[in-house]
Amino acid sequence: AQSVTQLGSHVSVSEGALVLLRCNYSSSVPPYLFWYVQYPNQGLQLLLKYTSAATLVKGINGFEAEFKKSETSFHLTKPSAHMSDAAEYFCAVTTNTGTASKLTFGTGTRLQVTL
Amino acid sequence: NAGVTQTPKFRILKIGQSMTLQCTQDMNHNYMYWYRQDPGMGLKLIYYSVGAGITDKGEVPNGYNVSRSTTEDFPLRLELAAPSQTSVYFCASSTEFTLHFGNGTRLTVT
Repeated sequence: AQSVTQLGSHVSVSEGALVLLRCNYSSSVPPYLFWYVQYPNQGLQLLLKYTSAATLVKGINGFEAEFKKSETSFHLTKPSAHMSDAAEYFCAVTTNTGTASKLTFGTGTRLQVTL
Repeated sequence: NAGVTQTPKFRILKIGQSMTLQCTQDMNHNYMYWYRQDPGMGLKLIYYSVGAGITDKGEVPNGYNVSRSTTEDFPLRLELAAPSQTSVYFCASSTEFTLHFGNGTRLTVT
């Protein structure tokens, strides 16, 4: 079985501050991990993915995440928040390879960016 | 490039009514999925398909049916709508790992 836990349903940061969104996973086999972003009234867009290559993964819009097996974590960071980063962020995991990617999603973290 | 297109965007149903949520993709992806999103619950997989003619249940299939007659289309059918099916429904397609989502259908059952 696979699962992800996102710590904090709401995170508020000031513009220019560090963004840190937390995700811990549980998996009996090596996982593939993802971060998706959802803007209001839209579908989810892929930010970045870890598929067993480099443990530090860089994504779009200046976001990055580091896979830490010892901590079973895949936290999302961005050095300097921008107002346009306000959205809901979902961590997801799958262990399926070579077939349909049946992602299991976390419950989401809503990021608020204030002036 | 349209990607994944879902129709309708919004729908209100009465209890017991039926409807089909449409989903089509133009990326020639083999894999397609239906998820539902409820506040504070993340996304739950309803059904998925690995190719035309092949479908399988996800985590929350009860009350829904799907078909996949072509690579492009993956409609989701609600036969007897219930208030518990009030949700936002997302269709997605993928090659291997990366899911591409439509913009969703917001369904209210009253």
